[in-house]
Amino acid sequence: AQSVAQPEDQVNVAEGNPLTVKCTYSVSGNPYLFWYVQYPNRGLQFLLKYITGDNLVKGSYGFEAEFNKSQTSFHLKKPSALVSDSALYFCAVRLYNTNAGKSTFGDGTTLTVKP
Amino acid sequence: DAGVIQSPRHEVTEMGQEVTLRCKPISGHNSLFWYRQTMMRGLELLIYFNNNVPIDDSGMPEDRFSAKMPNASFSTLKIQPSEPRDSAVYFCASSLEQGVYEQYFGPGTRLTVT
Repeated sequence: AQSVAQPEDQVNVAEGNPLTVKCTYSVSGNPYLFWYVQYPNRGLQFLLKYITGDNLVKGSYGFEAEFNKSQTSFHLKKPSALVSDSALYFCAVRLYNTNAGKSTFGDGTTLTVKP
Repeated sequence: DAGVIQSPRHEVTEMGQEVTLRCKPISGHNSLFWYRQTMMRGLELLIYFNNNVPIDDSGMPEDRFSAKMPNASFSTLKIQPSEPRDSAVYFCASSLEQGVYEQYFGPGTRLTVT
């Protein structure tokens, strides 16, 4: 079984400040991890993923995430938040070698960046 | 590529009517997923297909829901009869099967059942 937890329903930051959106996972094996973003009235969009190798992965719009195996975490970060980053963010996990690419999604975290 | 295409974008229907949602995945993708999103339940995976074959339909809420994928470029999600509690945004997503690939989501169909 695999699961994802996003412990914060909402994250508020001021524009220009660093932001972190937290994600922890549970899988019985090696994980593949993803972050997606959803803007209002839109479908989810892929931001970045961790497969293997370097624990720090960089993605779209200046976002990055750090894979921490010992803490089973994959937190999303950005050094300087923009108002336009305000959206709903989803973390997802997939077990290595799972058939057909099924991922388990977290409940989502609403990020609000205030000017 | 045009991305994942869903139709209709909005659907308003009366309780008891049949509703059919349509999805065209990205060409070359051979995994297809149907999701439902509501404020109360968040994002739920309903069913997914691999190479047009249903792999896991454990998320389908009840027998009123059915999904088909007759070929690699088309899938439908049908609700018959529809109920007000089916009101939600339904997303279709596709991805490549081999290796580790992200899912590409369509714009969604907003369904309202009155």
